[in-house]
Amino acid sequence: DAGVIQSPRHEVTEMGQEVTLRCKPISGHNSLFWYRQTMMRGLELLIYFNNNVPIDDSGMPEDRFSAKMPNASFSTLKIQPSEPRDSAVYFCASRSGSGETQYFGPGTRLLVL
Amino acid sequence: DAKTTQPTSMDCAEGRAANLPCNHSTISGNEYVYWYRQIHSQGPQYIIHGLKNNETNEMASLIITEDRKSSTLILPHATLRDTAVYYCTGVRYGQNFVFGPGTRLSVLP
Repeated sequence: DAGVIQSPRHEVTEMGQEVTLRCKPISGHNSLFWYRQTMMRGLELLIYFNNNVPIDDSGMPEDRFSAKMPNASFSTLKIQPSEPRDSAVYFCASRSGSGETQYFGPGTRLLVL
Repeated sequence: DAKTTQPTSMDCAEGRAANLPCNHSTISGNEYVYWYRQIHSQGPQYIIHGLKNNETNEMASLIITEDRKSSTLILPHATLRDTAVYYCTGVRYGQNFVFGPGTRLSVLP
């Protein structure tokens, strides 16, 4: 299995631009999670989906952030407009329906100038 | 979810056992203890989890005290590649992980 796949691995953009991060979960997993990691705040859960439906988005910082999961094999996290304080590493993780173990992708390192 | 407490950092000599403690005194009876690690610039990696009994897999052993208020992750023969931040967290079925700052383990040659 290829594991969780994220793209791009690195993104540098300018303030005000739209950023789209992509995630392909492990095949057969029915839950998907988006996390953000910064030095100041550590690893934070932004949103998670179960069977493609958003269940809890209480961690999404503000309306500039949105996430979608149009099918079981793809999810996006969009930031529009981006701001320098959005600079962080964004991780996607997936989980099967038979346990709590989450498997993380390699992350997208975002830098907003 | 149980609040967990871990030492900020630890050192271990290469080839020796690394014993990483975690306190979770508020853990409830149906919360699992999970361990993850994060090697620099990589995503968190699942290591092991347990409920009551001690567990062992190809990566590590997990020792949970009888009262479940604390646990120890054991890497039996630490290598330089085990240098990472190790996270201990408690989770109930249907809930999500909350990651603290973890323990930064440095394996020294």
